[in-house]
Amino acid sequence: ETGVTQTPRHLVMGMTNKKSLKCEQHLGHNAMYWYKQSAKKPLELMFVYNFKEQTENNSVPSRFSPECPNSSHLFLHLHTLQPEDSALYLCASRTGVGYGYTFGSGTRLTVV
Amino acid sequence: EDKVVQSPLSLVVHEGDTVTLNCSYEVTNFRSLLWYKQEKKAPTFLFMLTSSGIEKKSGRLSSILDKKELFSILNITATQTGDSAVYLCAVEDYGGNKLVFGAGTILRVKS
Repeated sequence: ETGVTQTPRHLVMGMTNKKSLKCEQHLGHNAMYWYKQSAKKPLELMFVYNFKEQTENNSVPSRFSPECPNSSHLFLHLHTLQPEDSALYLCASRTGVGYGYTFGSGTRLTVV
Repeated sequence: EDKVVQSPLSLVVHEGDTVTLNCSYEVTNFRSLLWYKQEKKAPTFLFMLTSSGIEKKSGRLSSILDKKELFSILNITATQTGDSAVYLCAVEDYGGNKLVFGAGTILRVKS
């Protein structure tokens, strides 16, 4: 275990469903991130939170909605997704700028 | 916009071989370059490099940065099947608050 826990590990959802991904860290990190990883593509940054405040939204479609209720928890709410949204969604955290990330194991999302 | 290009995209070697993975980058105001290993899902940290010419080493893995030519290499000597993974390179600049990743190199070590 890395110290960053993501649930669920796998998720299959229909295009009309609503679901949420959860990320939790108790490493005392102040920054949390959502990345999307598709086959043979670079990790795509989606959202950045620093001290619970969203500091970056990387032109992500509104069908993805992040929530950060405190510095230890990060959610990604999903609704009316498309098949091309199928990917591995990785959460990461770090102490701050200039430090490396600690990643969670990811949620493998399949949209049918 | 920051950019990271890794080569080769994939590589198959035999146990005992030495491999060199490449990472070139374009960054407005370079802060650091990082290497990660991704075996199943969670990428795990290998190295962070900030200064040119200083080799970082961990067992059979080593890495070096060239800030003039804007690239880094990751060397793995005496490869083992457990080295099979995707190796990710990422950069951070002083202006941002995020890592920008390359597409990765898929390494497969055959026994």
